[in-house]
Amino acid sequence: AQKITQTQPGMFVQEKEAVTLDCTYDTSDQSYGLFWYKQPSSGEMIFLIYQGSYDEQNATEGRYSLNFQKARKSANLVISASQLGDSAMYFCAILLYGQNFVFGPGTRLSVLP
Amino acid sequence: SQTIHQWPATLVQPVGSPLSLECTVEGTSNPNLYWYRQAAGRGLQLLFYSVGIGQISSEVPQNLSASRPQDRQFILSSKKLLLSDSGFYLCAWRATDRWDQPQHFGDGTRLSIL
Repeated sequence: AQKITQTQPGMFVQEKEAVTLDCTYDTSDQSYGLFWYKQPSSGEMIFLIYQGSYDEQNATEGRYSLNFQKARKSANLVISASQLGDSAMYFCAILLYGQNFVFGPGTRLSVLP
Repeated sequence: SQTIHQWPATLVQPVGSPLSLECTVEGTSNPNLYWYRQAAGRGLQLLFYSVGIGQISSEVPQNLSASRPQDRQFILSSKKLLLSDSGFYLCAWRATDRWDQPQHFGDGTRLSIL
């Protein structure tokens, strides 16, 4: 079964600096999608960014980008110019064709003023 | 645009009481629908998913059940709540026109069992 690992339970970053949140996955499938979600303290899950396994370019969405290294099976989220509002839990998830999402355990990011 | 509504936002129930959480989606048709539970500070546990009216798949055996009486309505129920049912419940939908669509979540229900 596929598995998602997020090795950083908690991360701190200074406001306006960049931060990388790690995500590694385990699958033998060639076709899959990787997703990142943000969960603020209010609880809602907000979709941030998507990377397809066949995408040659790293995905970018505003201040969010993915450092996708397929051979290493990693899809790290990079947040540039951190803001106080970025403080939240961040979840990485993998989707295989015909199956349901599998979420990682999450990383709690705290942005310091 | 598509929206998802989930209610109530907060619920406090005694042990042994029934439960009904409702989720509706607007602006799309034939979505996949999901119920998740999240313990405090933990990840998401998939409880049920549905690919169509009346079609429910259970991921975790428990005293909860789900129903999909209409295309865009998903209900989570229990006849008798347990203390272990406390948690944060999230409903989600996903479009089915492409397999790699993201899930979109409701605002969640915080359920406390006394």
